[in-house]
Amino acid sequence: NAGVTQTPKFQVLKTGQSMTLQCAQDMNHNSMYWYRQDPGMGLRLIYYSASEGTTDKGEVPNGYNVSRLNKREFSLRLESAAPSQTSVYFCASSGGRSTYEQYFGPGTRLTVT
Amino acid sequence: RKEVEQDPGPFNVPEGATVAFNCTYSNSASQSFFWYRQDCRKEPKLLMSVYSSGNEDGRFTAQLNRASQYISLLIRDSKLSDSATYLCVVNHGSNYQLIWGAGTKLIIKP
Repeated sequence: NAGVTQTPKFQVLKTGQSMTLQCAQDMNHNSMYWYRQDPGMGLRLIYYSASEGTTDKGEVPNGYNVSRLNKREFSLRLESAAPSQTSVYFCASSGGRSTYEQYFGPGTRLTVT
Repeated sequence: RKEVEQDPGPFNVPEGATVAFNCTYSNSASQSFFWYRQDCRKEPKLLMSVYSSGNEDGRFTAQLNRASQYISLLIRDSKLSDSATYLCVVNHGSNYQLIWGAGTKLIIKP
């Protein structure tokens, strides 16, 4: 039981490049989330998927797109990376005994130069 | 004003001591409350939910004060392994979104 997995763990991009962050969960959770975490700030929600087939914008969606590929997988795409997107990205899932208890992947450290 | 506010610390506490910190939230409609723990360069992990009646789990006690709109976390007999950042989290109940505080850093010294 791996929980929530994310790839890659680290990535360096040049401004304007694109990439996709992958996330998968094996807990049979309905809901999945993408957050970014910057120093001195709380986690900020980028996008979430309440259930398979649905996605919704969070607090900071600009510059990102998501795909809920199936119940297990939820990917985050940066179409044209900018230095302001340098951050740590966490994927999370929920849907166990408490809808709001979220379980996180190990994170992706992204640097955009 | 931030929706969820925490003292960033750090709180430097000797091993074995008791430490407490609070978190205030601005939305009176908040319905669910949590404490998460985040170790340096790791992912957040759920520490405990905070119920209206309070919640105790071993050395950890969480309390909710709706009238003053804050939640608290008390750690007794602190261990070196308690060193981490503690994140306060609330949910308004209307959707799946959680609102995260920036965290309180705790350092337990031998």
